[in-house]
Amino acid sequence: DVKVTQSSRYLVKRTGEKVFLECVQDMDHENMFWYRQDPGLGLRLIYFSYDVKMKEKGDIPEGYSVSREKKERFSLILESASTNQTSMYLCATHPPRGNTGELFFGEGSRLTVL
Amino acid sequence: SQQGEEDPQALSIQEGENATMNCSYKTSINNLQWYRQNSGRGLVHLILIRSNEREKHSGRLRVTLDTSKKSSSLLITASRAADTASYFCAAGRGSARQLTFGSGTQLTVLP
Repeated sequence: DVKVTQSSRYLVKRTGEKVFLECVQDMDHENMFWYRQDPGLGLRLIYFSYDVKMKEKGDIPEGYSVSREKKERFSLILESASTNQTSMYLCATHPPRGNTGELFFGEGSRLTVL
Repeated sequence: SQQGEEDPQALSIQEGENATMNCSYKTSINNLQWYRQNSGRGLVHLILIRSNEREKHSGRLRVTLDTSKKSSSLLITASRAADTASYFCAAGRGSARQLTFGSGTQLTVLP
């Protein structure tokens, strides 16, 4: 079974703090994604990575950056957290073959910015 | 703009009844996926239907796709309290990066 682990399930941070959200997968998937989920808006893609050190902006990258130094780890960084970044953050992976297949999600990280 | 839009936003039924959720999308797709999310957890893939398929079954799940109407439906038969969750459709246009999620249907199955 694919396992996608998000290290922090719940975080509370203050405005202006730097926040790291980490995601680790154990299935050697090339593609990794960060989404945020807000009520009534579904999932929106922040960034994705299709290989080590490769990254591309998604639909809402402003205020975020990412790091992929190792294949199994994809980190989402909020350089200076703001209250409008309070949300549920979901990491997902996708296997390299077959570009129409399912995504595998982590359990999510609920971030509250005060 | 959102590709997948679910209808209804919320659905409450009794255990044993069938639950039907609908999804509409705007542009051409090559697949339509359904995911489930228990409260406060991640999404779990349920079923994928390709654009050249009209119907697909998996256990108590039945998915239909009508590309002429740009719509899909998810039917859960003989629902159980454990089916209580949010259900999301996701329209796929090619790569996984092009998967667009709707805002979900909250299903409550009353025991």
